[in-house]
Amino acid sequence: GAVVSQHPSRVICKSGTSVKIECRSLDFQATTMFWYRQFPKQSLMLMATSNEGSKATYEQGVEKDKFLINHASLTLSTLTVTSAHPEDSSFYICSARGDSGSPLHFGNGTRLTVT
Amino acid sequence: EDQVTQSPEALRLQEGESSSLNCSYTVSGLRGLFWYRQDPGKGPEFLFTLYSAGEEKEKERLKATLTKKESFLHITAPKPEDSATYLCAVPYSGAGSYQLTFGKGTKLSVIP
Repeated sequence: GAVVSQHPSRVICKSGTSVKIECRSLDFQATTMFWYRQFPKQSLMLMATSNEGSKATYEQGVEKDKFLINHASLTLSTLTVTSAHPEDSSFYICSARGDSGSPLHFGNGTRLTVT
Repeated sequence: EDQVTQSPEALRLQEGESSSLNCSYTVSGLRGLFWYRQDPGKGPEFLFTLYSAGEEKEKERLKATLTKKESFLHITAPKPEDSATYLCAVPYSGAGSYQLTFGKGTKLSVIP
């Protein structure tokens, strides 16, 4: 089945620094990947849709200058949290789908803690 | 506004005690309803997709059903390893089929 790999699984950074999270589709090509955010005991919230070779589409209320998304190849999308603040601490999860008609598969998430 | 509501928030079962989880949705033009399982600290794992009222799908001890307003995830004779949070999701209205809005999930605990 389709495998989505996310790295790192955990990261702790200081307030004001930037953090990059990688999302890779290991056994399929993904022209579109999705970035979600999950707070404790809350549902996953879609942040943005990452399109290979073009600009990401951000959901309402998500700051595109703070959450930089790059989808440089068919197997890699990155999310960079810039000038991180403690309120950015959350669980970030990427997802992608394989062939047409296949479901979304999710990575194992990245736990970001900003101190 | 699209909404997905899951109930109960938490469910505690004895091993072997069957039950059902509910997912009700309000979205115009349903283009699929998805069930996922999420273990603590992990990303969601795909379980089922349902597309039309009356459709049913099964996988081991799980069976998902769909009506025009809600979906049920039936768990038959659960085992402790079935303990997880079960999420349902539907595509946003007017968006592509893979921009999903999720419910908050039902946290299932199966006690040996």
